Amino acid sequence: DAKTTQPNSMESNEEEPVHLPCNHSTISGTDYIHWYRQLPSQGPEYVIHGLTSNVNNRMASLAIAEDRKSSTLILHRATLRDAAVYYCILRDPDNQFYFGTGTSLTVIP
Amino acid sequence: DTGVSQNPRHKITKRGQNVTFRCDPISEHNRLYWYRQTLGQGPEFLTYFQNEAQLEKSRLLSDRFSAERPKGSFSTLEIQRTEQGDSAMYLCASITTGGAWETQYFGPGTRLLVL
Repeated sequence: DAKTTQPNSMESNEEEPVHLPCNHSTISGTDYIHWYRQLPSQGPEYVIHGLTSNVNNRMASLAIAEDRKSSTLILHRATLRDAAVYYCILRDPDNQFYFGTGTSLTVIP
Repeated sequence: DTGVSQNPRHKITKRGQNVTFRCDPISEHNRLYWYRQTLGQGPEFLTYFQNEAQLEKSRLLSDRFSAERPKGSFSTLEIQRTEQGDSAMYLCASITTGGAWETQYFGPGTRLLVL
């Protein structure tokens, strides 16, 4: 029942910015957009989330389209430690998370 | 380390055996989730608890699966008569509800291999 669509994989050169896109055309007005990432053999790690406005934290930035049907996770300078699977998730008002298959990010030294 | 712990981290069992996993959430979190993740897929929701009450179960949770959270603190997930298709990573997450900045904190998972 995944409600988001992401590219299966992306590559980035080290120390360059990375823009990870996500489509969520069926988003409702009360759904929050969350991003998590998962390293091999670990649980998902929270990255950032937002509702309508763009958000920044120490890990990343989240750009949300005006119609909220898409969003982009921005890693400003990719490092080798950023290589992971990135999940874009919609959180409904009941705090249910719906994961898709995510984007596997490869960072090239 | 998110503060959510899971034990054991790895479990190998033979088909037909019962297994039990434990999750210790962040202490002030009142809601606890269980997910299952197979190779190459994102986590799939199994069930969740609000304090000690189990509020929702996914159709993935067959009658061989049972989960408890007896005192609203730690939780256990038991799989009876394991099958090879149960091989997966079982993830636990916790959250405290009631604010706009809520997010789930995941444990490291328990990887189950059924032979």
